[in-house]
Amino acid sequence: GAVVSQHPSWVICKSGTSVKIECRSLDFQATTMFWYRQFPKQSLMLMATSNEGSKATYEQGVEKDKFLINHASLTLSTLTVTSAHPEDSSFYICSARDEPSGQETQYFGPGTRLLVL
Amino acid sequence: GQNIDQPTEMTATEGAIVQINCTYQTSGFNGLFWYQQHAGEAPTFLSYNVLDGLEEKGRFSSFLSRSKGYSYLLLKELQMKDSASYLCAPTDSWGKLQFGAGTQVVVTP
Repeated sequence: GAVVSQHPSWVICKSGTSVKIECRSLDFQATTMFWYRQFPKQSLMLMATSNEGSKATYEQGVEKDKFLINHASLTLSTLTVTSAHPEDSSFYICSARDEPSGQETQYFGPGTRLLVL
Repeated sequence: GQNIDQPTEMTATEGAIVQINCTYQTSGFNGLFWYQQHAGEAPTFLSYNVLDGLEEKGRFSSFLSRSKGYSYLLLKELQMKDSASYLCAPTDSWGKLQFGAGTQVVVTP
């Protein structure tokens, strides 16, 4: 099946620094990618929808200036957590939408664990 | 608005069958995904239903009734490795998924 990668898988940073997370679709082109956040023992929460060549659409309550999303190509979307604080520590997961021959499928990357000290 | 309801936990023994029900109320509904998520890992794709009816994939089957806002995931011949959280996720035409809290399935020997 299709593969989505994320990098890095783990990041520990100091409060106030910025962290960039990459999401790549490895064997298909994804015009749409999604970014989620998951806190321990909670469900995945959609943060934003990333469309290639246009601005991301953010869910209510998600600060667009804090979580910068860039979908530079059909296989790459990046999420930058700017001026990270301890409350931003979470599991960040991207998904990529694959629509071959009209059959919808969405694949998730392996996730990135962020720990802000 | 969005409302997704599935049981919190289900326990079954190896070799048994378990059915996880999901009811949803989603605006702009397009289809419904089922994902499996092991602790500490990202979700993995299991199935996607658009039309009413049953889709079978090996030991896993998924059913959808659009008119009733209802789906179920059927796990047959349970194995220990099937112990995980199972996520029901309706989607709209833009591909946006909405997740419920998930159903934790515990498989016992």
